[in-house]
Amino acid sequence: DQQVKQNSPSLSVQEGRISILNCDYTNSMFDYFLWYKKYPAEGPTFLISISSIKDKNEDGRFTVFLNKSAKHLSLHIVPSQPGDSAVYFCAASVGSSNTGKLIFGQGTTLQVKP
Amino acid sequence: DTAVSQTPKYLVTQMGNDKSIKCEQNLGHDTMYWYKQDSKKFLKIMFSYNNKELIINETVPNRFSPKSPDKAHLNLHINSLELGDSAVYFCASSRIRGNEQFFGPGTRLTVL
Repeated sequence: DQQVKQNSPSLSVQEGRISILNCDYTNSMFDYFLWYKKYPAEGPTFLISISSIKDKNEDGRFTVFLNKSAKHLSLHIVPSQPGDSAVYFCAASVGSSNTGKLIFGQGTTLQVKP
Repeated sequence: DTAVSQTPKYLVTQMGNDKSIKCEQNLGHDTMYWYKQDSKKFLKIMFSYNNKELIINETVPNRFSPKSPDKAHLNLHINSLELGDSAVYFCASSRIRGNEQFFGPGTRLTVL
């Protein structure tokens, strides 16, 4: 039972354009969502997060949108840069459980072409 | 000045052997985690310790035993290694059960 799904294994965009990465979840108890970025042979690094009380959070070129009714979140990268090429994981947690347990999606590989 | 470090980075061993992976964090965090990334690239939590106390123990075989000598260290010991244990293992840490977790570089375990 995959509670967090990233249905697009890969995405290719041109430098300067917008990258949109999508994530769906099934557990309505999730109340905190995160995006991580991972380069080959490195660990995931935290990118941006959003609480379920918000529908948008922005940090520089990165914006995360949350649609609770659709159980869907997306990460927008504008403008995309070649250095953004990496695997992006979305993750979710039940913050009120106070365990710090994150459920990860299977990742989307983003390639930004110069 | 690495925040979360793991040793070794690569580990190749035979079935049936016992091996350990070490993890250390210098971020002053209270909570540490072990994740397994399998061949399908799923990242799944295995264990979590908060101030040396086990707080998450997913359905992991008893052959896997975490050990936390202090809150800056969380080691993973694996007995009687099996082919299916081949994966990349990531250690992570966070503030007290905080959601933003900082990951180590991973240990690629190959069981032959």
